[in-house]
Amino acid sequence: NAGVTQTPKFRVLKTGQSMTLLCAQDMNHEYMYWYRQDPGMGLRLIHYSVGEGTTAKGEVPDGYNVSRLKKQNFLLGLESAAPSQTSVYFCASSYEGLGSRNSPLHFGNGTRLTVT
Amino acid sequence: GDSVTQMEGPVTLSEEAFLTINCTYTATGYPSLFWYVQYPGEGLQLLLKATKADDKGSNKGFEATYRKETTSFHLEKGSVQVSDSAVYFCALIGNSGYSTLTFGKGTMLLVSP
Repeated sequence: NAGVTQTPKFRVLKTGQSMTLLCAQDMNHEYMYWYRQDPGMGLRLIHYSVGEGTTAKGEVPDGYNVSRLKKQNFLLGLESAAPSQTSVYFCASSYEGLGSRNSPLHFGNGTRLTVT
Repeated sequence: GDSVTQMEGPVTLSEEAFLTINCTYTATGYPSLFWYVQYPGEGLQLLLKATKADDKGSNKGFEATYRKETTSFHLEKGSVQVSDSAVYFCALIGNSGYSTLTFGKGTMLLVSP
């Protein structure tokens, strides 16, 4: 049981390049999330999904797009990377979703992205 | 909006010392409160939680009590180990049915032998 798997683990991009981060979960969770973690900022929610085929904006969605074509996968895309998007990105999933007090988030190990 | 404030780190302790990491929050009504832990190179894991006032969450020797009167959820451990070195995040979920987790900025704990 792998839990939440993120690929790649590391990536360096030049400004203006595009890339997709992949998140896969094998726990049959309905809810999936993308966070970014920056020093001194904690975790901030980028986008989330409440089920297959759905997506919604979080706290810091600008410059990112997401897709949830299959229940187990949640993709985060950067169409034109900027240095401000240098960060560590975490995917998470949960059985219950928004407002749930009883369903913890399960996190992947993160993707460290550097944009030069 | 909802917010969480944690003490800044790093917190540096010797093994077997007593640990307190302060956390206060701002939210309407009665949010649920959480502590997550992030070990080096890994994602966050739920450490403990409390869903109503005066509840005490506990796990792995860590404890935190939900204090409504002081809007606090301080994390404590009586005797830390080197393996407790990690970043600790306080978080809350508000009352709205559409609330997502709001995280504090995290506090790094370094425990030396």
